[in-house]
Amino acid sequence: DAKTTQPPSMDCAEGRAANLPCNHSTISGNEYVYWYRQIHSQGPQYIIHGLKNNETNEMASLIITEDRKSSTLILPHATLRDTAVYYCIGLRDRAGSYQLTFGKGTKLSVIP
Amino acid sequence: DSGVTQTPKHLITATGQRVTLRCSPRSGDLSVYWYQQSLDQGLQFLIQYYNGEERAKGNILERFSAQQFPDLHSELNLSSLELGDSALYFCASSVEQGGYGYTFGSGTRLTVV
Repeated sequence: DAKTTQPPSMDCAEGRAANLPCNHSTISGNEYVYWYRQIHSQGPQYIIHGLKNNETNEMASLIITEDRKSSTLILPHATLRDTAVYYCIGLRDRAGSYQLTFGKGTKLSVIP
Repeated sequence: DSGVTQTPKHLITATGQRVTLRCSPRSGDLSVYWYQQSLDQGLQFLIQYYNGEERAKGNILERFSAQQFPDLHSELNLSSLELGDSALYFCASSVEQGGYGYTFGSGTRLTVV
């Protein structure tokens, strides 16, 4: 699975869009980009995933560059409850089993 | 409530002891994963079961073992506990082997004294 690189921390003003970058320059053609977040010591929560196209759901948008070497998770209107560690994970779609491998993530602090 | 139930929520035990952590997956999910999160190590994958069979092993110590029962609930057994085993232990489940998105439980906080 691709190695991902994320900034260790970011701040975002409440109500503004939070844009969290992720570099995955070694990603292969059949690897998905997954985003999870962990609020304090709760269990990680799935946010969104994508392969090539941009994706949007009720929580966030995922923008993947055309060369797929990087992506950005966008929280359109950040709230204090979005303060969490955000993990970008590359995951190959392969038969059999595959497991999420968590890195250090980005600690997002939403500031009032 | 994510649908993944972990018990107990908190556990305090002494070194050398043995404990069992329990996980009930979300209804319909066949895969169960165990993760360990300690302060200095982050989230570490331990082991995965799919429909009762072990599918993958990660950084799981020999003192640790797990199983998944016919009703799909899973137990993680930790024995000869050491101070360094103090951590949050998370269980996650998914529909398929890996599936699209895991659902995590709220974890069991183990403290070894």
